[in-house]
Amino acid sequence: GAVVSQHPSRVICKSGTSVKIECRSLDFQATTMFWYRQFPKQSLMLMATSNEGSKATYEQGVEKDKFLINHASLTLSTLTVTSAHPEDSSFYICSASSRDMLGYTFGSGTRLTVV
Amino acid sequence: QKEVEQNSGPLSVPEGAIASLNCTYSDRGSQSFFWYRQYSGKSPELIMFIYSNGDKEDGRFTAQLNKASQYVSLLIRDSQPSDSATYLCAVIWGGKLIFGQGTELSVKP
Repeated sequence: GAVVSQHPSRVICKSGTSVKIECRSLDFQATTMFWYRQFPKQSLMLMATSNEGSKATYEQGVEKDKFLINHASLTLSTLTVTSAHPEDSSFYICSASSRDMLGYTFGSGTRLTVV
Repeated sequence: QKEVEQNSGPLSVPEGAIASLNCTYSDRGSQSFFWYRQYSGKSPELIMFIYSNGDKEDGRFTAQLNKASQYVSLLIRDSQPSDSATYLCAVIWGGKLIFGQGTELSVKP
């Protein structure tokens, strides 16, 4: 089955620093990747959609200069949280799809804590 | 505004009972519907998807879709304590997977 690998699973960083999260599709080509954020006891909120080779499309209210998304290849997308602040602490999850797939495959998530 | 609504619960059922989870959606044009299960601290895992009106069964799980009423439900038969999790309803809208707020299910031994 389709597998999406997400790293790191957990990261703690200091306020003001940047953190990069990677999402890789291991056995399929992900034409589209999605990035979600989930705060405790809340649902997954879509942050942005990225298609290979083009700029990401951000949802309303998500700062594109703060959450940099790169989808340079059909198997790799990255999310960089720049100048992180404590309020950015959350569970970040990527999801990937391809033209041949039914549904979407999720990565295992990254727990970000900004101190 | 495209919305997916779920009762946040918590829903508590005894072991062996049927758990019924409900979801409504606002976009009448939606075609694809998904149920995900999420354990605390983990990412969602797909349980079922349904595209056509009616019922779809997979083991202990049955998804029901009524497009006229814009309603999709998930039934879990013979509920087990290991089914205790948050169940997320999701709808594809504009190529994006949009989630409801989730229903927390607790199955008591």
